[in-house]
Amino acid sequence: KNEVEQSPQNLTAQEGEFITINCSYSVGISALHWLQQHPGGGIVSLFMLSSGKKKHGRLIATINIQEKHSSLHITASHPRDSAVYICAVRFPASYNTDKLIFGTGTRLQVFP
Amino acid sequence: EAQVTQNPRYLITVTGKKLTVTCSQNMNHEYMSWYRQDPGLGLRQIYYSMNVEVTDKGDVPEGYKVSRKEKRNFPLILESPSPNQTSLYFCASSFRQNYGYTFGSGTRLTVV
Repeated sequence: KNEVEQSPQNLTAQEGEFITINCSYSVGISALHWLQQHPGGGIVSLFMLSSGKKKHGRLIATINIQEKHSSLHITASHPRDSAVYICAVRFPASYNTDKLIFGTGTRLQVFP
Repeated sequence: EAQVTQNPRYLITVTGKKLTVTCSQNMNHEYMSWYRQDPGLGLRQIYYSMNVEVTDKGDVPEGYKVSRKEKRNFPLILESPSPNQTSLYFCASSFRQNYGYTFGSGTRLTVV
């Protein structure tokens, strides 16, 4: 079993739809990151979460530490949101480290 | 412009010929790290560094070396490349723990 699981693996949406991508993990973590990988291959850091919720534009990320689960929401999706979204966790929680484990990503395609 | 610069972008080499992929950041970030990305396996961490002269293994360090002699540079060294090291490599940096990451543009390495 992978330590970081993302669902769904692939997602197709119509422009304007509300999108949810889920990430579950099995290890104790100090932080969770959401990344976006564009079709050209470049990777951009979207959010870093250690608790609660963050919002940036149409993107919202939440984390529930007790349930070991995070969600990334995209409101009013647009074709330019088409990308692979990757969840990564920094662990262990107990000491200073920059060790990261990644989910295998969710490929999102938004059609006009 | 704040960025992480990787070179080269593309590299084809032969088995056993030592090579170095360079990574440099201009943001005075403490943390730097290397990842490889393979189809079906996603991103995996190779090595990371939390300060000058401090490096530690990620998930897949075998066959790789790194050094952090100065804050801005974190080269990845393959002493004797093998075909199973054919992959897309990313360097990233972060100000410190629980900050977001800035990724380089990637290096596509082919070992024949």
